[in-house]
Amino acid sequence: AQTVTQSQPEMSVQEAETVTLSCTYDTSESDYYLFWYKQPPSRQMILVIRQEAYKQQNATENRFSVNFQKAAKSFSLKISDSQLGDAAMYFCAYRSRDQGAQKLVFGQGTRLTINP
Amino acid sequence: DSGVTQTPKHLITATGQRVTLRCSPRSGDLSVYWYQQSLDQGLQFLIQYYNGEERAKGNILERFSAQQFPDLHSELNLSSLELGDSALYFCASSVGIGTLAGNEQFFGPGTRLTVL
Repeated sequence: AQTVTQSQPEMSVQEAETVTLSCTYDTSESDYYLFWYKQPPSRQMILVIRQEAYKQQNATENRFSVNFQKAAKSFSLKISDSQLGDAAMYFCAYRSRDQGAQKLVFGQGTRLTINP
Repeated sequence: DSGVTQTPKHLITATGQRVTLRCSPRSGDLSVYWYQQSLDQGLQFLIQYYNGEERAKGNILERFSAQQFPDLHSELNLSSLELGDSALYFCASSVGIGTLAGNEQFFGPGTRLTVL
């Protein structure tokens, strides 16, 4: 079974600075998807960024980018120019490409605080 | 707004009772997923339905059951409720079960269940 680990329960960063959230995962599959979800105080789960394991190029969405290291099974999220609205819980998630295993497997989450 | 709706938003009930949570997927989405978010267990996959049929099961208790109706809405039934069932229950939907476009899951706002 796949597992996802986020070793940083809490992180904080100054507004406008850059912060990196860590995520490692364990799988025996060679092809899969990785995601970062944001959960603000409203509790809504919002997809931030997605990475397909067969793509070597790291995904980027505006101020959000990932560092995907397949051999190390590492998938970190970098937030540049942090804004107050980035304050939230961030969850790393894994999903198999197997059509019979579409569930998301989540890490424990990292609570990000933005200091003004 | 993800396009996934869940009712009710909040539910307070007593131990031993039975409740039904409802989810309407995005228009055109055939697959529905249920997740439970609790303080001690984190975010866990419960069950997936695709076009009315059960597709995958996760850590779903025998006291819990779900179904997807012909109009594609889904209901999660929780019975013989215990204090530990208090959690945020999310429904998510996706287009289908293929690998096309990563088959992104869109989350509803969740139903917060409190068992007293």
